[in-house]
Amino acid sequence: AAGVIQSPRHLIKEKRETATLKCYPIPRHDTVYWYQQGPGQDPQFLISFYEKMQSDKGSIPDRFSAQQFSDYHSELNMSSLELGDSALYFCASSLTGGQPQHFGDGTRLSIL
Amino acid sequence: QKEVEQNSGPLSVPEGAIASLNCTYSDRGSQSFFWYRQYSGKSPELIMSIYSNGDKEDGRFTAQLNKASQYVSLLIRDSQPSDSATYLCAVNLPSGGSYIPTFGRGTSLIVHP
Repeated sequence: AAGVIQSPRHLIKEKRETATLKCYPIPRHDTVYWYQQGPGQDPQFLISFYEKMQSDKGSIPDRFSAQQFSDYHSELNMSSLELGDSALYFCASSLTGGQPQHFGDGTRLSIL
Repeated sequence: QKEVEQNSGPLSVPEGAIASLNCTYSDRGSQSFFWYRQYSGKSPELIMSIYSNGDKEDGRFTAQLNKASQYVSLLIRDSQPSDSATYLCAVNLPSGGSYIPTFGRGTSLIVHP
């Protein structure tokens, strides 16, 4: 069965650079979520989209933005990167809000 | 205090035993409760979902929800070394008319042969 696809798998950036992470949800899933997980931490909810509209916002820094496109893929844009942004970034999708989320393999972002 | 609390462990059980993982949450209005398993460096994998009070069984896994006491638990029967992982409890907490998915810090489970 098709799963959530994230790209890239690994990304290395320097401070103050920008990064774009991509997520392709499971077909027919209408809700996409983004999470940030630091080492030894639980996944922190950043933002979610339902039917291409932002639905909920969590602890997403103002330097980050996200959108969902007409084909339902989503992108997380990160600017003015800081050392503390180094983390695993997961995208998840669900059939609709409140339903079980299926996670992608994540993007490991390292800031030098 | 975190809104979703779990004992970080590690919880160590012998192979074949029952592992019991617990989770409490802060808001009575919470809906939709999930257990995920996460191996180190990998993504969370859905184990169980539960929405109403009582027990829900799926193979070796049983989720239990008690909304009055605001806890949800996961029992793993006949534990195997491959079950060794971090188990994350996730709760949809009410927030401004909507629900925010909120994870606990996870319980590390070690199943020893």
